[in-house]
Amino acid sequence: GDSVTQMEGPVTLSEEAFLTINCTYTATGYPSLFWYVQYPGEGLQLLLKATKADDKGSNKGFEATYRKETTSFHLEKGSVQVSDSAVYFCALSERPPLRSARQLTFGSGTQLTVLP
Amino acid sequence: EAGVAQSPRYKIIEKRQSVAFWCNPISGHATLYWYQQILGQGPKLLIQFQNNGVVDDSQLPKDRFSAERLKGVDSTLKIQPAKLEDSAVYLCASSLEATSGSDGNEQFFGPGTRLTVL
Repeated sequence: GDSVTQMEGPVTLSEEAFLTINCTYTATGYPSLFWYVQYPGEGLQLLLKATKADDKGSNKGFEATYRKETTSFHLEKGSVQVSDSAVYFCALSERPPLRSARQLTFGSGTQLTVLP
Repeated sequence: EAGVAQSPRYKIIEKRQSVAFWCNPISGHATLYWYQQILGQGPKLLIQFQNNGVVDDSQLPKDRFSAERLKGVDSTLKIQPAKLEDSAVYLCASSLEATSGSDGNEQFFGPGTRLTVL
């Protein structure tokens, strides 16, 4: 079945450092890929997405490129801020066989802490 | 626009007791999802509704979990009887529609209900 593997955390960085969180996936078809963020005490929020190969999703300075050849969707940010401290989830969406609707499969999440 | 509402935010019960969670999706969203998020793991889909019909409940432990979505709006998820391993955050999400060309259709998540089973 489909699966998502994320870089294990926690990750601790100083403010203005470069961030990479690795994500690779296994899927039978051609999924859409997502990064969700969960701030303390809040629900999951969509950070960015990409729906086809070589698409780059971007939002709030974060970027990720859909790499079909390496089945990856790594999250990057050039200069992190304290306010970026959160848990980041990589996810894919694919329509399972015999079912009518797309479903999300999540990775296990990566805790990011940014120190001032 | 109001987001997805869930209640209660926290619940502590003893094993073998029953518990119910409530979700109110974003107005107009046809599809509603319940996820279970165990500490240190990503959310896992339990059940998916479209309007008031079940689309997928293949991962719902039906011997103890049940869910309904009356009138295609609010939904309740019930556990009876609860086990220790049910301790988790239960997330509700909704989306405008789930089918077809809704490639990358966005799901909006509520804050979740944190359940502790003692």
